[in-house]
Amino acid sequence: LAKTTQPISMDSYEGQEVNITCSHNNIATNDYITWYQQFPSQGPRFIIQGYKTKVTNEVASLFIPADRKSSTLSLPRVSLSDTAVYYCLVRKTGGFKTIFGAGTRLFVKA
Amino acid sequence: GAVVSQHPSRVICKSGTSVKIECRSLDFQATTMFWYRQFPKQSLMLMATSNEGSKATYEQGVEKDKFLINHASLTLSTLTVTSAHPEDSSFYICSARTQGSNTEAFFGQGTRLTVV
Repeated sequence: LAKTTQPISMDSYEGQEVNITCSHNNIATNDYITWYQQFPSQGPRFIIQGYKTKVTNEVASLFIPADRKSSTLSLPRVSLSDTAVYYCLVRKTGGFKTIFGAGTRLFVKA
Repeated sequence: GAVVSQHPSRVICKSGTSVKIECRSLDFQATTMFWYRQFPKQSLMLMATSNEGSKATYEQGVEKDKFLINHASLTLSTLTVTSAHPEDSSFYICSARTQGSNTEAFFGQGTRLTVV
């Protein structure tokens, strides 16, 4: 399983765009990149998943360079309610287990 | 998206007793479910992989006789913490994945276990 490295924490202000970068240098050809959000005392919630280039949904964008050794989760115009821990995961397709790294604690201030 | 439900969301038990936590996939069949444990300010730690109709696969360092897992149907997996002790107090989370080649994992809301 590819190891991921993320910043331990980040601070931001309401209305700003937040970019969280994750390194996964030993990502394999059939690995996908998935991001989850977790609030205190809740289970993780799926945010976005991608394989290459750019993926966008209603809550975030995911940018993946050509070498796929890193990825950046972009949260547009964050609000206080976006304060949470964000996990970057790399996993293969199919029923393989999902291993969590340390995650990034995002604090959004007023 | 798919829904995974855990029950109970919170439980307090006495030291030495056993506690059962249920994980249900409400609108899909899950041949594989995963159980995690999370201590305060830490990440999720995978405990075991639960496969319907077969024995669970435990991660290194997880006692299979203490954390009994049963996955009797395609929509239900249970985790029983046997002879619980205060150090077993933690946040337990299950997840399940739909069948398919590229599917995300859906997580339950978690169970806060406190052993007194």
